Amino acid sequence: EAGVVQSPRYKIIEKKQPVAFWCNPISGHNTLYWYLQNLGQGPELLIRYENEEAVDDSQLPKDRFSAERLKGVDSTLKIQPAELGDSAVYLCASSLGRGTGFDEQFFGPGTRLTVL
Amino acid sequence: KQEVTQIPAALSVPEGENLVLNCSFTDSAIYNLQWFRQDPGKGLTSLLLIQSSQREQTSGRLNASLDKSSGRSTLYIAASQPGDSATYLCAVWEYNNNDMRFGAGTRLTVKP
Repeated sequence: EAGVVQSPRYKIIEKKQPVAFWCNPISGHNTLYWYLQNLGQGPELLIRYENEEAVDDSQLPKDRFSAERLKGVDSTLKIQPAELGDSAVYLCASSLGRGTGFDEQFFGPGTRLTVL
Repeated sequence: KQEVTQIPAALSVPEGENLVLNCSFTDSAIYNLQWFRQDPGKGLTSLLLIQSSQREQTSGRLNASLDKSSGRSTLYIAASQPGDSATYLCAVWEYNNNDMRFGAGTRLTVKP
């Protein structure tokens, strides 16, 4: 069974440009997460979806970041415009249940973003 | 706010040694604690998940313990191998925010 798929794996852009990341969760997983991981730090949650509903987006910088999960499957995270400080790894994860503490999360390989 | 701390930040050991990685958290109101492995440029691989009602979990050469009341967990790796070289992260899923909080990780190097 395929794991969580993310693309692209690497992206280099100039500041003020837009960028988008795509995630395909494990088949049948209801909950999808986007995390931001800065160098030398642990991941931090940006947004969590239960099916197509964003149930926790309190850490998402809404002035420049947006996300969607159409039909409750794939998800896209967008940054517009990108800033130098957005350089990081963006991780997607999914879990089978409703995103409670009894669920195990499975992570994708991440997208490494470099903003010049 | 939940704070998760991992000590040491980096560790280098010779092959064959047994080692312990430490994780502490400030709020004991958690659902579970999970240990992950992250290889350079890769995502996170789950190693062990301990529910709040459990004391430990074992998988092969790995053993993780949880002392929720004191806010501590340890990951014990027996007979370390060069292939164990990676960053190990612990994370707690907290009640209050229904959110997972990660430590910054311990970067482990096992020398042949």
